[in-house]
Amino acid sequence: GAVVSQHPSWVICKSGTSVKIECRSLDFQATTMFWYRQFPKQSLMLMATSNEGSKATYEQGVEKDKFLINHASLTLSTLTVTSAHPEDSSFYICSASEGPESQPQHFGDGTRLSIL
Amino acid sequence: GQNIDQPTEMTATEGAIVQINCTYQTSGFNGLFWYQQHAGEAPTFLSYNVLDGLEEKGRFSSFLSRSKGYSYLLLKELQMKDSASYLCAVMDSNYQLIWGAGTKLIIKP
Repeated sequence: GAVVSQHPSWVICKSGTSVKIECRSLDFQATTMFWYRQFPKQSLMLMATSNEGSKATYEQGVEKDKFLINHASLTLSTLTVTSAHPEDSSFYICSASEGPESQPQHFGDGTRLSIL
Repeated sequence: GQNIDQPTEMTATEGAIVQINCTYQTSGFNGLFWYQQHAGEAPTFLSYNVLDGLEEKGRFSSFLSRSKGYSYLLLKELQMKDSASYLCAVMDSNYQLIWGAGTKLIIKP
């Protein structure tokens, strides 16, 4: 149980392109989903917390207009990297929790984004 | 501020036992998690401790002492596939996860 699917796994695109990443909870409803970014050999960095039906909560230093998050249903959250540039190249990972408190986060497989 | 400390890297031998320590200072405590992350992959959940003591799950065990702000992950009968990074994360009073930087475990034959 508790499977999280993330798509796509890999994206390579030109600078200035917008990229959408989907995160789905397959066998449970996730009121809260999390978006992380991870640079090589570094730890996970929380970008934002996505709540179904409400605006996402962004961490300090993360541009909300650049990283658009939509959590339209209890099983789907999307992250759109708008006008991506090479410095946005990273490993983006979503996670979802079955409950709001003290529940482990289950991670998607991640999306490796490379901007040329 | 909130802080999670764990060693950057450890090396162990196949078949042996290794203990990865984690100390934390957070605003409140609602549990401690251990995750395994292989290179280029997303983390996978290993264990959760909220009460003091040892939780055993097969070859992996996790220990917690809340008074000391300390946890360890114990891996027995090490296998080559255990080579990975091990992430310690604490859930604070706001139910936010605070992540450690991870411990890279290298297993040698």
